[in-house]
Amino acid sequence: DSGVTQTPKHLITATGQRVTLRCSPRSGDLSVYWYQQSLDQGLQFLIQYYNGEERAKGNILERFSAQQFPDLHSELNLSSLELGDSALYFCASSVEGGAGATQYFGPGTRLTVL
Amino acid sequence: AQKITQTQPGMFVQEKEAVTLDCTYDTSDPSYGLFWYKQPSSGEMIFLIYQGSYDQQNATEGRYSLNFQKARKSANLVISASQLGDSAMYFCAMRVKTSYDKVIFGPGTSLSVIP
Repeated sequence: DSGVTQTPKHLITATGQRVTLRCSPRSGDLSVYWYQQSLDQGLQFLIQYYNGEERAKGNILERFSAQQFPDLHSELNLSSLELGDSALYFCASSVEGGAGATQYFGPGTRLTVL
Repeated sequence: AQKITQTQPGMFVQEKEAVTLDCTYDTSDPSYGLFWYKQPSSGEMIFLIYQGSYDQQNATEGRYSLNFQKARKSANLVISASQLGDSAMYFCAMRVKTSYDKVIFGPGTSLSVIP
C-alpha cells in the first residue's frame, strides 16, 4: 500500500458525460500528479499540483481540468467524454524534494466510456 | 528533449534466474533521478528503486539493483533470483528539474517468469 488513495476504483459512463476522479496523497506529501495510461499512448503525464498551485502541465486536454484543495486532496475533472478517454487514471504524490523525490502511485481509477 | 527508451517489449526468464531489463535515457539536464516501477496485472504502479544522477554507487533494494552507466546514459534494472510474482510490466522513468518538474516514463517491458 503506497498510502495514496484514489476513488472510485472503476467508473463506467457514457460519451458526452462529465466525471470527477478523486485523489488523497500520502501524509506529508505536498505534490500531486495525474497520469493517464492507455494501451496506445502508454503512461502520459497530465498535470501536477504543489501545495494547491498548478506546477506543470503535460498532455492534458482542454476538456480536462484539475485542482488541489487546501487539505491537499486533488480532483481531476473530465468533461465531454469521448470513447478515447477510456483509460486507467493514476494519481501520484511526492514530497517534492528535487529530482530525487520519488512519486508514489495510487491504485488508479479505471474509466470506461461507452 | 528528455526521453526514455526501453527496447525490450517482452522478456522471459526462468524462475530463480537473474534478468536484466534495459533502459536508456536522454537528457541534457545534469540533475536527474531515474526510477523503476513495476505494474502487475492488477494495475497498480509499485515503486522499486531510485538512482540519482550524482550517486556514485549503484542503487540496490533487496533483489533489485540498478546498473547505472552515466556515460552511456543507461539505467538497467537487474532482478536476481526471479520469482513467479515478478511477472509484470516494468517501467523505467526519469525525473528532471527543469522549469517544470515532471516524470517521463518509458514504454515498458513485459516480464514473464517461467516455472
